[in-house]
Amino acid sequence: KQEVTQIPAALSVPEGENLVLNCSFTDSAIYNLQWFRQDPGKGLTSLLLIQSSQREQTSGRLNASLDKSSGRSTLYIAASQPGDSATYLCAVPVHSGNTPLVFGKGTRLSVIA
Amino acid sequence: EAEVAQSPRYKITEKSQAVAFWCDPISGHATLYWYRQILGQGPELLVQFQDESVVDDSQLPKDRFSAERLKGVDSTLKIQPAELGDSAMYLCASSPPPNTEAFFGQGTRLTVV
Repeated sequence: KQEVTQIPAALSVPEGENLVLNCSFTDSAIYNLQWFRQDPGKGLTSLLLIQSSQREQTSGRLNASLDKSSGRSTLYIAASQPGDSATYLCAVPVHSGNTPLVFGKGTRLSVIA
Repeated sequence: EAEVAQSPRYKITEKSQAVAFWCDPISGHATLYWYRQILGQGPELLVQFQDESVVDDSQLPKDRFSAERLKGVDSTLKIQPAELGDSAMYLCASSPPPNTEAFFGQGTRLTVV
């Protein structure tokens, strides 16, 4: 059974700092990995999708890497801003194709001005 | 930009009452998911549809929960009777075939009193 773990559970950093969020999964036979952002009381916004054949994906100040063999992914946020404050979730499909996602519990990020 | 629409955004109901949530996926997305998210946890799958057919409802508490997607487009999730433990965020997501990237709606926050 696939299990996803995110460390740390919470993180507080001063504005402008670069930071790394970690995600690990127990079954390395994943189809892809997706990072989401969730603001309090809101739904999930997709940030980045990394296919299993890719090593990393970039979108603006965000960079996500994937190491399938070690069962790890990292989300790097450069030059953090107060607007980045949110919960960040990673998720992997149970199987290949249109299958449901297994989520970690998320990392709650606070960027202090 | 196309979005997954959910309504209502918030619902407060008394214990033992019936409650229903509605979801309209992104046009053309054959796969639709309902997830439940308890505060501080990651979302967990309740039911998955492929067009109008249920693919996976193994985690749906069928004694009180029901879901339908009659025409393979929008979907309704019902709880009857609601219990205090059902208080959570209910999230709808859809995926375009064959890509597994999931797009989420804003969710329905249910409070059972």
